[in-house]
Amino acid sequence: AQTVTQSQPEMSVQEAETVTLSCTYDTSESNYYLFWYKQPPSRQMILVIRQEAYKQQNATENRFSVNFQKAAKSFSLKISDSQLGDTAMYFCALIDGYAGNNRKLIWGLGTSLAVNP
Amino acid sequence: EPEVTQTPSHQVTQMGQEVILRCVPISNHLYFYWYRQILGQKVEFLVSFYNNEISEKSEIFDDQFSVERPDGSNFTLKIRSTKLEDSAMYFCASNPLLAGEDEQFFGPGTRLTVL
Repeated sequence: AQTVTQSQPEMSVQEAETVTLSCTYDTSESNYYLFWYKQPPSRQMILVIRQEAYKQQNATENRFSVNFQKAAKSFSLKISDSQLGDTAMYFCALIDGYAGNNRKLIWGLGTSLAVNP
Repeated sequence: EPEVTQTPSHQVTQMGQEVILRCVPISNHLYFYWYRQILGQKVEFLVSFYNNEISEKSEIFDDQFSVERPDGSNFTLKIRSTKLEDSAMYFCASNPLLAGEDEQFFGPGTRLTVL
């Protein structure tokens, strides 16, 4: 079965500093997508960044970047120049499989990030 | 920018009552999902829906749950007889089902409280 593991329940960082959130996963598929979603106190689920497994280049979106290590099944999120608005729950998620139309997301437990002034 | 909408934002109901949670997916999307998140726990897949039928459902999605796309725009989740443990945040999501477009677009969620 596919699984996503986030081993850091809580993290904190000072404003303007850099923080890295860890995620490991397990899947038997050779092609899949990985995502980081942000959930602020409003509980809206917001996509932060996505990575296609067949692309070796790490995805980057402004201050957010990933370190995708396919062999190690690791997908960490780096937030640079942290801002107070980055305070949120961060979820790592995997699209399970690429056969047919089954594209359900499999989620980690989340990491609660607090950015301190 | 198109977005997924959900109503109501918060629903309070008595145990045993039926509830219907409503979602309006993005108009040109073809694949729809319901997920739930019990407070403090992980997000769980409930059901996916494509071409007017259920594509996949989880173990959570038992006979008390049903989904429907009654009019080509709304996508509803019905819980026939709510239990205390159904209290959770329910998220609707949609996807255009195009090659390379695997992002799921989420609605703001409905908080369901069962008393």
